[in-house]
Amino acid sequence: DSGVTQTPKHLITATGQRVTLRCSPRSGDLSVYWYQQSLDQGLQFLIQYYNGEERAKGNILERFSAQQFPDLHSELNLSSLELGDSALYFCASNRQGAYEQYFGPGTRLTVT
Amino acid sequence: GESVGLHLPTLSVQEGDNSIINCAYSNSASDYFIWYKQESGKGPQFIIDIRSNMDKRQGQRVTVLLNKTVKHLSLQIAATQPGDSAVYFCAENKGDKIIFGKGTRLHILP
Repeated sequence: DSGVTQTPKHLITATGQRVTLRCSPRSGDLSVYWYQQSLDQGLQFLIQYYNGEERAKGNILERFSAQQFPDLHSELNLSSLELGDSALYFCASNRQGAYEQYFGPGTRLTVT
Repeated sequence: GESVGLHLPTLSVQEGDNSIINCAYSNSASDYFIWYKQESGKGPQFIIDIRSNMDKRQGQRVTVLLNKTVKHLSLQIAATQPGDSAVYFCAENKGDKIIFGKGTRLHILP
């Protein structure tokens, strides 16, 4: 158990819909990272937050957005969902100054 | 462009033998590399890391080798066990981002 929690574990929704994925980092970690993992693309970095502020952006679509709240949990919002958005979404966290990231168990999103 | 990739998608190794998983990277400016292990149904788990000023780093049953001349990284697992069965990713740390390769699936043969 990495100490990072993610909910829900599974999510099935239809095209065009909007979903919210939730992540709680390890206690004491200020940074939260979001990744998308699909079969043909491996792990793709989406976005990073540090203490409530966006720190770095990767291959995140405009239909996707995220935020980190004062209690440091983070939410990833996916809207106007397409079939190609079906994937595993991972959240990771780490301590300030550390490179090593701790990953949550992921949310499996299926868009039908 | 930048990429971190693995040479083989699948590697089968006899239990008890040593495993060697390879990775090539393209950005010679990269200064930090990480190996992650992902078991089925779980998130990636940190195994070992290495900075670009090192050639070799050892952990418990694992060794990472870095050859900057040919931009090659390898993970060696000694005495491979059934619990080593997983997908292994090399990753490159660029500032606050980690760029992952596509992964190599390690199969352990009995």
